[in-house]
Amino acid sequence: QKEVEQNSGPLSVPEGAIASLNCTYSDRGSQSFFWYRQYSGKSPELIMFIYSNGDKEDGRFTAQLNKASQYVSLLIRDSQPSDSATYLCAVNKGGTSYGKLTFGQGTILTVHP
Amino acid sequence: EPEVTQTPSHQVTQMGQEVILRCVPISNHLYFYWYRQILGQKVEFLVSFYNNEISEKSEIFDDQFSVERPDGSNFTLKIRSTKLEDSAMYFCASGDINQPQHFGDGTRLSIL
Repeated sequence: QKEVEQNSGPLSVPEGAIASLNCTYSDRGSQSFFWYRQYSGKSPELIMFIYSNGDKEDGRFTAQLNKASQYVSLLIRDSQPSDSATYLCAVNKGGTSYGKLTFGQGTILTVHP
Repeated sequence: EPEVTQTPSHQVTQMGQEVILRCVPISNHLYFYWYRQILGQKVEFLVSFYNNEISEKSEIFDDQFSVERPDGSNFTLKIRSTKLEDSAMYFCASGDINQPQHFGDGTRLSIL
């Protein structure tokens, strides 16, 4: 079983729609959860992090965490073509700042006009 | 906004040669990391560094790899004798108390 698994994609949505990205993790000891965006040939860019069950909203982005189901998701509302990228889910056993990040393989999102 | 800077952006090296990748973490951050990403694959953890010592390393980080913080600002990754399979993007990241890790732009390492 992969440590961090993301929906395989690619995911294609029309501009203005909601994009839903999903991630499951295997280690119940995981403490904090991150979503990074990676444009082709670029470095991961932090979008959001969450460590409590429930929803966390930041602008057009909402992260959702369910530790019982070992599931974390990212919703992107009013998707824009500039949101087209690979979205990486990452998990950390430690706190928000310390400890290695374990990444999923990423989900490619394409937002078409 | 403060950022992690990495040099060089692209390094081409002959197999068997030593290479040093450089990083300047965000000022005042305490935790430093190296990751790598082979083309088309996921980002993989290599090593974490805190309080001037390695706090954790992966199976990838074998005796060919070393890290150093030679002064108050730089954080380096050395690969002693490069192999073809070391070709990848190498990312440095830093974090602070309750601050998530931020990544540098990366160094593309090409081994010939």
